[in-house]
Amino acid sequence: EAEVAQSPRYKITEKSQAVAFWCDPISGHATLYWYRQILGQGPELLVQFQDESVVDDSQLPKDRFSAERLKGVDSTLKIQPAELGDSAMYLCASSFGTAATNEKLFFGSGTQLSVL
Amino acid sequence: AQKITQTQPGMFVQEKEAVTLDCTYDTSDQSYGLFWYKQPSSGEMIFLIYQGSYDEQNATEGRYSLNFQKARKSANLVISASQLGDSAMYFCAMREVLYFGNEKLTFGTGTRLTIIP
Repeated sequence: EAEVAQSPRYKITEKSQAVAFWCDPISGHATLYWYRQILGQGPELLVQFQDESVVDDSQLPKDRFSAERLKGVDSTLKIQPAELGDSAMYLCASSFGTAATNEKLFFGSGTQLSVL
Repeated sequence: AQKITQTQPGMFVQEKEAVTLDCTYDTSDQSYGLFWYKQPSSGEMIFLIYQGSYDEQNATEGRYSLNFQKARKSANLVISASQLGDSAMYFCAMREVLYFGNEKLTFGTGTRLTIIP
């Protein structure tokens, strides 16, 4: 069964350092999402792509976070510089992208980030 | 304003018993979708069940059913004959189609379910 691939699985970094996460969605899925999940909370959307275009990045802290999906396939989320409050699980998800209410998201296993 | 509310932070249930996880939502849209996802300790979000706002029948998927009460804006998940492998976090989520084909999936804070042998 096709899966959303994410790497690395775990990342430990010191504050002020740069970190990057990678996501490869299910083949053919036009829509890609990056969510942040703080311990004990539900996932919150950071950025949403339709193909290579950003559809929604209203919750992305743009002073330190950036995201790209240059060829409309895989995507990279970067944090520079990392802060202690960025410690969280970063989940990537994809969907076929028809913007219908029944369009379910397929999630990767996430990247657990710890900032020391 | 909170779009999705899950009022049970944690629940303990005896194995083989049924369990109901509560979810209420807030929207002014007529067309929306409600989802339940399971998140085991491994971290991956696993889709369980979907209910559309226009669906007249409650959704069912194996041991999972969704008790949809539209007037009360509630979409509770019912798990029948619980198993040890059901121990996980459970998230309710609502999908709204916004404008120009844009859409948004919003999650609740989750309920941690623990099945006791």
